[in-house]
Amino acid sequence: GDSVTQMEGPVTLSEEAFLTINCTYTATGYPSLFWYVQYPGEGLQLLLKATKADDKGSNKGFEATYRKETTSFHLEKGSVQVSDSAVYFCALRGPDMRFGAGTRLTVKP
Amino acid sequence: EAGVTQFPSHSVIEKGQTVTLRCDPISGHDNLYWYRRVMGKEIKFLLHFVKESKQDESGMPNNRFLAERTGGTYSTLKVQPAELEDSGVYFCASSRLGGLTDTQYFGPGTRLTVL
Repeated sequence: GDSVTQMEGPVTLSEEAFLTINCTYTATGYPSLFWYVQYPGEGLQLLLKATKADDKGSNKGFEATYRKETTSFHLEKGSVQVSDSAVYFCALRGPDMRFGAGTRLTVKP
Repeated sequence: EAGVTQFPSHSVIEKGQTVTLRCDPISGHDNLYWYRRVMGKEIKFLLHFVKESKQDESGMPNNRFLAERTGGTYSTLKVQPAELEDSGVYFCASSRLGGLTDTQYFGPGTRLTVL
């Protein structure tokens, strides 16, 4: 069945460092792909999405490109801030939503 | 526009007791979903309503879980009797169209602890 494999954390970075969180998927067909973020004490928020191959989703300085050839949707940000500390979930939309296990990011000043 | 709301935010109960979780979707969203995240693992799908009808309940773990959406507005998820392994965070989400490209908007979750 459809599944998402996400880079395990936790990830700890210094402010202004470059971030990559890897996400690969297995799916029949071409599902929509999403990154959700959960800030401390809050619910899941949609960060960005891509609905077809080669689409790039972007928001708040984060980017992810839907790569069909590598079945990947890696999340990147060029310069992280302390306020980016959160848990990040990669997900795909097939018959239902399938999520990765989540990656906890801590950014230190 | 108000987001998805869930109540309560936390619930602590003893094994064998009953708990009812509530979700209020975004107004106008016919599609409502329940998910669960257990012990820091991946978030797993439980079921999907379209209006008041259960479209897909393949993720419901067993018959101790009962979801309802009478009138097609808010939904409840009842666990009776609760077991230790039911502890986790229960998320609700809603979407307008329900299609493969439609975005689901999530609530803050209810953290359930069964002692």
